[in-house]
This record gives sequence, C-alpha cells and structure tokens, in this order.
Amino acid sequence: AQTVTQSQPEMSVQEAETVTLSCTYDTSENNYYLFWYKQPPSRQMILVIRQEAYKQQNATENRFSVNFQKAAKSFSLKISDSQLGDTAMYFCAFMKLSGGGADGLTFGKGTHLIIQP
Amino acid sequence: EPEVTQTPSHQVTQMGQEVILRCVPISNHLYFYWYRQILGQKVEFLVSFYNNEISEKSEIFDDQFSVERPDGSNFTLKIRSTKLEDSAMYFCASSVQRYYGYTFGSGTRLTVV
Repeated sequence: AQTVTQSQPEMSVQEAETVTLSCTYDTSENNYYLFWYKQPPSRQMILVIRQEAYKQQNATENRFSVNFQKAAKSFSLKISDSQLGDTAMYFCAFMKLSGGGADGLTFGKGTHLIIQP
Repeated sequence: EPEVTQTPSHQVTQMGQEVILRCVPISNHLYFYWYRQILGQKVEFLVSFYNNEISEKSEIFDDQFSVERPDGSNFTLKIRSTKLEDSAMYFCASSVQRYYGYTFGSGTRLTVV
C-alpha cells in the first residue's frame, strides 16, 4: 500500500512571495504518477500539476512547479509570485500504474496555505 | 469548460435510510470515480469504474455501497443503509485517460442524523 505524507498542516506567506509545500510518499512501485490538487473554500478539488515518475524533468504550470526527487520519494510544490486566490488546501496525491482499468488516488492530509495581503 | 455535475449539493438523511448520490461526468470521459472526505480529514478513494464495471475499490467500499451507470450520462453511488459515520462530502470525478488527472465535481455533503 502507498502512503502520502504532508508534514505542514498550515503555512502562511505574504502576497507575491514564493512558497514551497512539501510532500513525501512511500511505495514499492517503480512506475506511478504524482499530483497536486487545490481545494479552495468552495470545496471543489482542482488539479494543479501532474508528474510522471519515469520523467526526470520537473513539471511546471505557469507559477506552479514541482521538485521531484524520485530516490528520496519527495514531491514538493513551489508557488511563485503567490496571489490571494492561491489560498486553499493543497493535497499531494499518488497513483500507481496498473495493468488495466481505473486507479484510485492516495491523498495526503493536506496543507492549508494562506496568502496574506 | 466542461464540468462534472453532482446532485444534490446537500442531503440530510436518517440513519438506516438508503441514499443515492448522482453525478453527471464529462461526456467524453471514460473513467469514473467516487471519493469521500470526512470533515477535516483527507480525501479517501472509494471506487473506480471503467468499461461498465468496477475497476478498483477500497476497504471503505463494503457491501453497503454500490455504483451504477444506468444510462450514458449518469453515474450514481448508492448507500443502502446509512450510518452516522457515512456523514461526509462525497466527490465524483471523471477522466478521459487513466493518468491524465481527474476533473472533480463540487461534491455532495451527506449528513446522516
């Protein structure tokens, strides 16, 4: 079974600062995907960024980037030039590759990120 | 932008009653999921569905739970005899490819009294 650990229950930064959210995971799988999801107060889960474990290059999506360290089983999210709208819960998630069908995500407990004006 | 639609947004039911939570996934998506989030806790996987059958289910998804895709558009989660501990936010999600990342619905808040 996989586990995902987010060690920062809450973080607070000033608008325009850069913030890094940490995530570590434990798995015996070699091929898998990692995701960051955002859950604003509206409660809807929104995909932020996705990383394929077999790719060494770190994924980026505009102001969002990851630092993926496969050997260390670490998958941190960096948010540059943070904005008030980035205030939300952020969940790290793991999905293993399997032979067929659809696979579930294993989520961490989340980090509540607060962007201060 | 296409959305996953869940109804109702909030449902209150008495313990022991059956509930059906409804979801309309994005029309060209092939993979469907249900997750739940107990207040203040992490999101937990319940079940995945592909090609008109369950692909994977978690330990939470016991005999009290079932899923159906009765027509080409709806995807439902049924809880046969609700318990107090079933109170949670239930999220439906769908994806066009297995590892592309999901689109989640806005959730149904289920309160069992």
